[in-house]
Amino acid sequence: GDSVTQMEGPVTLSEEAFLTINCTYTATGYPSLFWYVQYPGEGLQLLLKATKADDKGSNKGFEATYRKETTSFHLEKGSVQVSDSAVYFCALSETDTGNQFYFGTGTSLTVIP
Amino acid sequence: ETGVTQTPRHLVMGMTNKKSLKCEQHLGHNAMYWYKQSAKKPLELMFVYNFKEQTENNSVPSRFSPECPNSSHLFLHLHTLQPEDSALYLCASSQGKSGSQETQYFGPGTRLLVL
Repeated sequence: GDSVTQMEGPVTLSEEAFLTINCTYTATGYPSLFWYVQYPGEGLQLLLKATKADDKGSNKGFEATYRKETTSFHLEKGSVQVSDSAVYFCALSETDTGNQFYFGTGTSLTVIP
Repeated sequence: ETGVTQTPRHLVMGMTNKKSLKCEQHLGHNAMYWYKQSAKKPLELMFVYNFKEQTENNSVPSRFSPECPNSSHLFLHLHTLQPEDSALYLCASSQGKSGSQETQYFGPGTRLLVL
């Protein structure tokens, strides 16, 4: 079945450091891939998405490229800020079973000044 | 008001109480979802409604009872809960078209504490 695996946290970085959070997936069809972010005390917010192979999603300085050959969708940011401290979730949905979403377990990021 | 809203944001209830969580979406979507988020556990999908019909019920105990009166509103009725049901309950919505590339949009959640 479909699944998402993302790197375990917690991750602690200094401000302006480079961020990578790894995400790999298993899917039977042609999924869309997502990164969601959850700030403390809030729900999940869509950060970025990619709907087909080689697409790059980007938002707020974050980027992720849909890599079919490595079944990966790693999240990157060149220079993190304290305000990026949150939990990040990788997710996928299949086109032909659109109601079924699969989430990773979440990676907690703390950025220290 | 835009997006997905949930009320109440915080709820404390005893094990014998009956309460309801409400979710409303203003995005014109046709699919709505309830998730449970517990500390240090993956997000758990509880229920899915598509065009007001329940399409998923992931082995959720009967003390949780969903209701979807129309495609904009979703309720979760709670009765005789257990302390282990304490969690953040998240509502989400999506377009709900089979064969389309869906994106889910989440509400802020209801933080539930069962005493």
